[in-house]
Amino acid sequence: GESVGLHLPTLSVQEGDNSIINCAYSNSASDYFIWYKQESGKGPQFIIDIRSNMDKRQGQRVTVLLNKTVKHLSLQIAATQPGDSAVYFCAENNGGATNKLIFGTGTLLAVQP
Amino acid sequence: GAGVSQTPSNKVTEKGKYVELRCDPISGHTALYWYRQSLGQGPEFLIYFQGTGAADDSGLPNDRFFAVRPEGSVSTLKIQRTERGDSAVYLCASSLSSGGAYEQFFGPGTRLTVL
Repeated sequence: GESVGLHLPTLSVQEGDNSIINCAYSNSASDYFIWYKQESGKGPQFIIDIRSNMDKRQGQRVTVLLNKTVKHLSLQIAATQPGDSAVYFCAENNGGATNKLIFGTGTLLAVQP
Repeated sequence: GAGVSQTPSNKVTEKGKYVELRCDPISGHTALYWYRQSLGQGPEFLIYFQGTGAADDSGLPNDRFFAVRPEGSVSTLKIQRTERGDSAVYLCASSLSSGGAYEQFFGPGTRLTVL
């Protein structure tokens, strides 16, 4: 049968290593960005967000970097754990008043024990 | 507290039938969003409500799709004359408000399968 992983970029890391997931966004007018984690059969779960007036924001074990010059986002996960295995999506708000989100295609993070 | 809930979790229907999908947002959230997610893809925006009114329905693919939120809380997404291409996971999200930057909280989704 068809596997989600066949259509998604995949990042495979060892438990305890740091992970970096990258994302290119499309609209230079976007001023709000979010990283979501999605496990199989569940809805997207908020991880961390960043506004366009910042270039870095840190959370617990996660850091988001924003480079507006090249329209690039990255998510860094420190000391990756098996529970971090999931698909990760970046999303931008497209600069509009409705805050509707435009999602990227996602990256599958596979953590090897 | 309770998160966003969606019912049913799974819906199997036949081509040409009518379906309704329900979303219960987080209490107090005025903004409600519907997205559709196909296998291996990110969610795609369908429609957004601020209160009772549909403020942006630009993502609805055609006039077979319609959504309501009559009392500014629960929302129903309605699909008429379903087609096999409508098969996807339909996600609902809510946030405190819209505009600016507010976190959107997602429900678990309804998996729709059209045979």
